[in-house]
Amino acid sequence: EADIYQTPRYLVIGTGKKITLECSQTMGHDKMYWYQQDPGMELHLIHYSYGVNSTEKGDLSSESTVSRIRTEHFPLTLESARPSHTSQYLCASSELEGGFNEQYFGPGTRLTVT
Amino acid sequence: AQSVAQPEDQVNVAEGNPLTVKCTYSVSGNPYLFWYVQYPNRGLQFLLKYITGDNLVKGSYGFEAEFNKSQTSFHLKKPSALVSDSALYFCAVRADNTGKLIFGQGTTLQVKP
Repeated sequence: EADIYQTPRYLVIGTGKKITLECSQTMGHDKMYWYQQDPGMELHLIHYSYGVNSTEKGDLSSESTVSRIRTEHFPLTLESARPSHTSQYLCASSELEGGFNEQYFGPGTRLTVT
Repeated sequence: AQSVAQPEDQVNVAEGNPLTVKCTYSVSGNPYLFWYVQYPNRGLQFLLKYITGDNLVKGSYGFEAEFNKSQTSFHLKKPSALVSDSALYFCAVRADNTGKLIFGQGTTLQVKP
């Protein structure tokens, strides 16, 4: 198992609430990623970071935001949750050098917005 | 643009039989290919990767994959399937030199006793 953690594992929340999904890794990886996994199980990159104070939007447009103040921490925030945000969110990390390195995934957060 | 396709939504195989999960790719330049497995309610686990060298890559849990440049394929294989291999499998290709990956749509492997 990789040393990458996500909390909470499951979250049920009402529409309009602000939520933050936590992701932390203890491997010292510079690169971190957030994916959204839809019910059809496809993975879509929504945010990534190359290091502290670096964040970029991914291939799938998302209303969420991210921050990277510390190397090990890459939280994702939804200011106002909506039912369309219901999904599984996966965090991952990889080493910076080479671009050939595999990504290590956390266990995921399953979000349900009612 | 880089892309990867998994033509089968589901593969069914009997325990003890060999299994193959298919993946084809389209890249400009050298392909860097990966296989991941996802068990229910879990994140993805890395199985193996092809960067360069031998076309047959060996990975975790007895899995291997064969890189075929002429057919632009990177099929995942195992000589003898286990019921515990039942899971969702993803093929991925490196998008660019930033480390981003592009994932296929996933193939569910069902191994029956």
